[in-house]
Amino acid sequence: EAQVTQNPRYLITVTGKKLTVTCSQNMNHEYMSWYRQDPGLGLRQIYYSMNVEVTDKGDVPEGYKVSRKEKRNFPLILESPSPNQTSLYFCASSKSLLRGEPSPLHFGNGTRLTVT
Amino acid sequence: TQLLEQSPQFLSIQEGENLTVYCNSSSVFSSLQWYRQEPGEGPVLLVTVVTGGEVKKLKRLTFQFGDARKDSSLHITAAQTGDTGLYLCAGGGRTGTASKLTFGTGTRLQVTL
Repeated sequence: EAQVTQNPRYLITVTGKKLTVTCSQNMNHEYMSWYRQDPGLGLRQIYYSMNVEVTDKGDVPEGYKVSRKEKRNFPLILESPSPNQTSLYFCASSKSLLRGEPSPLHFGNGTRLTVT
Repeated sequence: TQLLEQSPQFLSIQEGENLTVYCNSSSVFSSLQWYRQEPGEGPVLLVTVVTGGEVKKLKRLTFQFGDARKDSSLHITAAQTGDTGLYLCAGGGRTGTASKLTFGTGTRLQVTL
């Protein structure tokens, strides 16, 4: 089954304790991205990757890191989490380009992070 | 930064009613996508519209892209409880890649019996 898998689904941590949220897709998609979702703000892009070893900042990259060493994996790293990073995080992937129409995004089921 | 405002933010209706959700921007987009998100899951694509004035139908859902490609609407006829969810519009840039998608603020729809 084609899917984007995020782990963990829920995470409670304390300020300053490094954490990694994993994301893996089995659709051979070139493009992957991380979003955070907060009430009233919609989905905001954190980082994205057009292909292996190519990553770029989105709209809200501060406090986050990513890497893309393999096509299928795109982990999100919080080196020193702070309470304002408490949010619902989504990983997504798509084909890089689709003839005639924009590429649809395939989302994971989300990771709810709480930083105390 | 391109912004997409959705209205209303919240909508609670009874089964069988009709409703319209709006997605507006001062910017021009080359395409507009609509996603629906159910609790505990990620958004799922409903439709993509790419031509100004384009209308697409998906069963009871009708999507329209404004003539000037700055706005879009989603109309649901005879809503059902299964339509409950968060509806997100997303405007696409000229390149067509997902990296240029700008998401709207969302409309949370609750349909009750």
